[in-house]
Amino acid sequence: GNSVTQMEGPVTLSEEAFLTINCTYTATGYPSLFWYVQYPGEGLQLLLKATKADDKGSNKGFEATYRKETTSFHLEKGSVQVSDSAVYFCALTTISGNTPLVFGKGTRLSVIA
Amino acid sequence: NAGVTQTPKFQVLKTGQSMTLQCAQDMNHNSMYWYRQDPGMGLRLIYYSASEGTTDKGEVPNGYNVSRLNKREFSLRLESAAPSQTSVYFCASSEEAVALHFGNGTRLTVT
Repeated sequence: GNSVTQMEGPVTLSEEAFLTINCTYTATGYPSLFWYVQYPGEGLQLLLKATKADDKGSNKGFEATYRKETTSFHLEKGSVQVSDSAVYFCALTTISGNTPLVFGKGTRLSVIA
Repeated sequence: NAGVTQTPKFQVLKTGQSMTLQCAQDMNHNSMYWYRQDPGMGLRLIYYSASEGTTDKGEVPNGYNVSRLNKREFSLRLESAAPSQTSVYFCASSEEAVALHFGNGTRLTVT
């Protein structure tokens, strides 16, 4: 079956530090990969996505590259801000069969000034 | 744009009571979903509806029922609430299974 494993948090960084949140997956078929972000008291919002191998998704300074050879989709940002403090979820779906998204357990990021 | 609207925002139930969580979307999406979020567990799919008139079980359907009332609305019912159902519940909608749009959640406590 499909599954997503992401690094456990919480992750605490100083402002302007480099961020990496690891995500690996197992999937049947060709998955599409996503990162969602959840700010306090809100629902999840799509941050970025990649639909095929070697694609790079990017948004708001965050990037992730779909690596088929390592089955990974690590989230990176070069310089985090306090406003990036949130919970980040990696997710996948296999378009064939129209299966619902499967989420990782989430990684809480706290950025301190 | 309202997007996905969930009601209520908060609810406290006693064990054995029943309630229905409401969800409506105004984006004309075919697919709708109910997830629960628990600490350390991430989001787990309860039920989903790929299109109006169809519903399917997700990962954790026991103790819940759903109704896809029309294309806009997808409700989640707890017939006899249990403390294990204390959670934050999220409704979402999408075109196919890509790029879900989430509501702001319902925080449910069962005592």
